[in-house]
Amino acid sequence: QSALTQTPSASGSPGQSVTISCTGTSSDVGASKHVSWYQQKPGKAPRLMIYEVNERPSGVPDRFSGSKSGNTASLTVSGLQPDDEADYYCSSYAGSNDYVFGTGTRVTVL
Amino acid sequence: QLQLVQSGAEVKKPGSSVKVSCKASGGSFNSYGLNWVRQAPGQGLEWTGGITPIFGIETHAQVFQGRVTIYVDESTNTAYMEVRSLRHEDTAIYYCASGAFDHWGQGTLVTVSS
Repeated sequence: QSALTQTPSASGSPGQSVTISCTGTSSDVGASKHVSWYQQKPGKAPRLMIYEVNERPSGVPDRFSGSKSGNTASLTVSGLQPDDEADYYCSSYAGSNDYVFGTGTRVTVL
Repeated sequence: QLQLVQSGAEVKKPGSSVKVSCKASGGSFNSYGLNWVRQAPGQGLEWTGGITPIFGIETHAQVFQGRVTIYVDESTNTAYMEVRSLRHEDTAIYYCASGAFDHWGQGTLVTVSS
């Protein structure tokens, strides 16, 4: 199972929006509602930010939103804040109880 | 609230085995399921395997076929992942996470070095 493809980096100024993409195949992202997004800060475990394409766990600000079109999922962070600076990873169910993660995107707040 | 606490760092020689544990409190793996995810130094996340909730089906990423065993000791609510025939490229932080990836352990650094 190949890793999902993410652009290596994205940036924005405070208050702006940034959108990260995650491209898979018709066997994973394109076939599953179980697409998730995680935030990871240095030295910390990942934190679930979005699940089932566009659902937010309790405690995640509504500035974070997800969507999917075909084999590509997207995470949008609106009203960018300095605390949003982190690595972001997508993941997708890939069938047969398997999962695959994305290559990761480093978001920088300018 | 499910909490996951992992065992401490390990240093192993190539060809040996390592067993990492993940103890749950506030819930059971039978209800939540379990995943193991690893992260090599400076690299991204890689799903390594898991156990599904309810039916307890064990599954592994293809790259680990035959080298990994994942199981849960229900009497202590502790999950284990054993990796055999360790290689230098198995050096990574190994995380346990719930079946829905909404709860994570703190990570266990496994270093494979001769």
